[in-house]
Amino acid sequence: EDQVTQSPEALRLQEGESSSLNCSYTVSGLRGLFWYRQDPGKGPEFLFTLYSAGEEKEKERLKATLTKKESFLHITAPKPEDSATYLCAVQPPVHGSSNTGKLIFGQGTTLQVKP
Amino acid sequence: DTEVTQTPKHLVMGMTNKKSLKCEQHMGHRAMYWYKQKAKKPPELMFVYSYEKLSINESVPSRFSPECPNSSLLNLHLHALQPEDSALYLCASSQGRGGDEQYFGPGTRLTVT
Repeated sequence: EDQVTQSPEALRLQEGESSSLNCSYTVSGLRGLFWYRQDPGKGPEFLFTLYSAGEEKEKERLKATLTKKESFLHITAPKPEDSATYLCAVQPPVHGSSNTGKLIFGQGTTLQVKP
Repeated sequence: DTEVTQTPKHLVMGMTNKKSLKCEQHMGHRAMYWYKQKAKKPPELMFVYSYEKLSINESVPSRFSPECPNSSLLNLHLHALQPEDSALYLCASSQGRGGDEQYFGPGTRLTVT
């Protein structure tokens, strides 16, 4: 069964204290792994897409990496405005049209950065 | 521009009402999605339209009825909802080629009384 597990569930950091969020996945074949940021009451904001092991993407204080079993979202010197829930999702292979664009989400990691 | 718009932002409806949620994108995307999200949970897929045809229905109750009038618009018609249907309803779109990222709208906060 395709599955995504994120850890930790919640993370509290001091401003400037770097850390990493984990996304472990089990999928029969990976068409893409996606990271999103979601603020309370708002829609998820797309951050990164990773397709193959060894791939890395960066944006400001965020860096996403991918292995065959997991992805990490590294946050360097976070600021209070980085506080949000970070969602990881995978897209399994398509079988006919039944899995078109279907994402399997993890439960998310809620990050709080204190000044 | 990666904007997906949704109206209304908030909706309160009784269990006997009929209402519609609307979603629009102008990115030329050919796949559009409806998700339901409860508090502290990830988005849960409801429907997928690919090239204006319904390609996925995740066994959603018939009181939710999707419609895709054209490649830019997506509607969700609501009828005889239950209080447990109260949630944030999210629309998303993607290029529709597979393996491509989905862009989400801001959502409609629905309360069923």
